[in-house]
Amino acid sequence: AQSVSQHNHHVILSEAASLELGCNYSYGGTVNLFWYVQYPGQHLQLLLKYFSGDPLVKGIKGFEAEFIKSKFSFNLRKPSVQWSDTAEYFCAAAGGGSYIPTFGRGTSLIVHP
Amino acid sequence: NAGVTQTPKFRILKIGQSMTLQCAQDMNHNYMYWYRQDPGMGLKLIYYSVGAGITDKGEVPNGYNVSRSTTEDFPLRLELAAPSQTSVYFCASSPGQANQPQHFGDGTRLSIL
Repeated sequence: AQSVSQHNHHVILSEAASLELGCNYSYGGTVNLFWYVQYPGQHLQLLLKYFSGDPLVKGIKGFEAEFIKSKFSFNLRKPSVQWSDTAEYFCAAAGGGSYIPTFGRGTSLIVHP
Repeated sequence: NAGVTQTPKFRILKIGQSMTLQCAQDMNHNYMYWYRQDPGMGLKLIYYSVGAGITDKGEVPNGYNVSRSTTEDFPLRLELAAPSQTSVYFCASSPGQANQPQHFGDGTRLSIL
């Protein structure tokens, strides 16, 4: 079965620290990848997406992600986090012939001021 | 644009009661989805629809029903509410291409007592 794994379930950082959240998927072939963010009490919103071209994708609020096909990975990064980045982050993938994305379990990020 | 609108935002039900969670989108998206979100478990797909008149089961369909009579609306029905259905429910829509992200509603927080 197709799956998406997020290895870090809870991350706690201080402001200005660097962030990297792992995401691995199990699809072969063409894959479309997404990172969503869910701020406390809000709905999910798109941070960034990859479907072709430059494997380094830049999103909103200073986030970026790198698609590494050989590792089946799409890790999310931010050089310097802010308190306002406190949120839950979800990786999702659609591929293997299906348009229905599969979501990872999410990573809860807490940034201390 | 309103995007994806869910009603109600909060609801408390007694065991055995029934209710319908409403979802409407004004983006003319073909695909619509219902997810439930439980703490630490990410998003679980309940049902999805690829167009009016077409619905299919997701990962956790038991205890739920859906219909899609129009492109805009995708209601989720709970027939006999059970405590295990206490959750936050999100509706989402997307155009239907694998490289297009989903748009989420604000969620319905449902408690079954």
